[in-house]
Amino acid sequence: DVKVTQSSRYLVKRTGEKVFLECVQDMDHENMFWYRQDPGLGLRLIYFSYDVKMKEKGDIPEGYSVSREKKERFSLILESASTNQTSMYLCASSLWVGTAKMNTEAFFGQGTRLTVV
Amino acid sequence: DAKTTQPTSMDCAEGRAANLPCNHSTISGNEYVYWYRQIHSQGPQYIIHGLKNNETNEMASLIITEDRKSSTLILPHATLRDTAVYYCIVRVAYGQNFVFGPGTRLSVLP
Repeated sequence: DVKVTQSSRYLVKRTGEKVFLECVQDMDHENMFWYRQDPGLGLRLIYFSYDVKMKEKGDIPEGYSVSREKKERFSLILESASTNQTSMYLCASSLWVGTAKMNTEAFFGQGTRLTVV
Repeated sequence: DAKTTQPTSMDCAEGRAANLPCNHSTISGNEYVYWYRQIHSQGPQYIIHGLKNNETNEMASLIITEDRKSSTLILPHATLRDTAVYYCIVRVAYGQNFVFGPGTRLSVLP
């Protein structure tokens, strides 16, 4: 089974702190994603990466950066945490089947509920 | 990616089939229909996907109409653990992102 593991289930940080959210997948997937989920707003894409050291902005990248130094690991960084970044953060990964030119279904981690106080 | 429309909420009796509809009238020929669900406080879980043929796996069946403008996810024998928000998503095969709408909140009642 595909496993996407997020380093923390719950995190409490102070305003202005630098925050690292880590995600690891064990299925050699090319694509990795970071979403945030807020009540009434659904899941919104922050950043995604389709290869090591490659990244693309999603719908709401402001206030965030990402790092993908190894294929299995995708980190989300909040440079200076703010209270409006209190949210559930979800990491996902999916496979690129180059011969079929398609991306398969995405598999999600359990989520990190971040509270910024 | 095409937009989808789902009912906000549905109830289903435990042990009965749960039929969750999705409308995707603007779907194009190269777009797949995906279903995910999210149990409270967990990440979304992949259920099934299809292009035009009906699909079945150990979790559910997916029925896509001949004109592909709508589909139905069927949980054949719903249990209390199937209570979740169910998302219908339309996406091209080479598309990377999944766009989640508000989904249908399914409540399985004892």
